[in-house]
Parts: sequence; structure tokens; C-alpha cells
Amino acid sequence: TQLLEQSPQFLSIQEGENLTVYCNSSSVFSSLQWYRQEPGEGPVLLVTVVTGGEVKKLKRLTFQFGDARKDSSLHITAAQPGDTGLYLCAGLKRGTYKYIFGTGTRLKVLA
Amino acid sequence: EAQVTQNPRYLITVTGKKLTVTCSQNMNHEYMSWYRQDPGLGLRQIYYSMNVEVTDKGDVPEGYKVSRKEKRNFPLILESPSPNQTSLYFCASSLSSLSYEQYFGPGTRLTVT
Repeated sequence: TQLLEQSPQFLSIQEGENLTVYCNSSSVFSSLQWYRQEPGEGPVLLVTVVTGGEVKKLKRLTFQFGDARKDSSLHITAAQPGDTGLYLCAGLKRGTYKYIFGTGTRLKVLA
Repeated sequence: EAQVTQNPRYLITVTGKKLTVTCSQNMNHEYMSWYRQDPGLGLRQIYYSMNVEVTDKGDVPEGYKVSRKEKRNFPLILESPSPNQTSLYFCASSLSSLSYEQYFGPGTRLTVT
């Protein structure tokens, strides 16, 4: 059972456009992470959010954790070709030490 | 250099032939985990270990075994591989079960024929 739904699955945009990726669940998470994965490599952590309602910024990337800690979003401003990759959200199930990953959003930014 | 290493990176084997994929980290991390990544399904946790001699099942443990005899090593064992275990496998580690940041190895692509 997939507990973390990511949308959209695929996104192809022009350089300079803005985009938002969503990560939704009916379960509550102790924390939520966003990773980026390049072909042939393992995921690399971008950010961790822990508190409901938390917003973190990483240059042009803005991450938000839902108030109820069931959902999260990743917003990219003025996307660049270097942002191309697979974006994954992952949550630590509350009360456990298990991680659940979303199915991923494959982003392609065209120059 | 702080890293998680996996071996082998690529493996083609036949049904029923026991195999082990090794994972080692040099960051003195307590928490280690194994995932498999399949198209359309994302990463799914197979097993995790909170510390030496402490392991527990993830969401898809069937057909796999693990051991954690030393802090740095966390091998994944397939006693009798089957074609449905063909996948891309990742080992990951983090400082503790509550530190959240996981560091991933480069992956092992396994094909079982």
C-alpha cells in the first residue's frame, strides 16, 4: 500500500517557469524529507521538515510541511536545467522507525 | 570521504542461487536500511537496523535477510533469489533513527533470470 502520493508524476517545463510538487498522505509523519535523485545514483537529501506548518527555503526551492503533518509541497521558482531530476518525498511513520517514500516526480527543465 | 558503499554495483544471477549484497558506511551511523526501487513503485524499505544486533522488517521483507554484527556493515542476503527480486537496491544510513537525514549508497542493480 502506497501511503505517500506524489503529484505530478512527470513535469516538463521551460527554463524560468515556476512549479510545485505535492506529497500527500492520510497518515501522520514524524518528519518528512525531500530528496533528489540523478540517473545511476542514490537519492541525495535536500531538506527535512519536522514541525507542522514549517517552511524551509533552499535558494530557489521552498518546502512546506502541512499543519497536520500529513502532506508537504516543494515549490521551485524560476526553474533551471540543472533542476532536472527525480524528486522524492519520504516520511518517517509516526511511532515507528520506518520510512515511506513517494513514487517520485520526474522533472525536466528545458533550456 | 564520508560515504556509503555497496558491492557489487551490478549483478546478474539465476533463480535460487544465494547471494549477498554488502553495504558499509564510514560515518559511525547507528541507523542503516535497505530499499528496493522499482518503476512506478518508488523506493520501498526492506529491512532496517537501529543499531548493532537490532534489526526489523520494513514494508517488503519477504525473501530477504539481513544481519548487523558490526556497526559499519549491513549486508542484504537473498537465500533463494527469484525473478520478482530483480530490482535496483539501495543501502542507506543515518546518524540515528531520529536524525532523519539518510545518506544513500550508489545502488546495486540486480537481475535474476
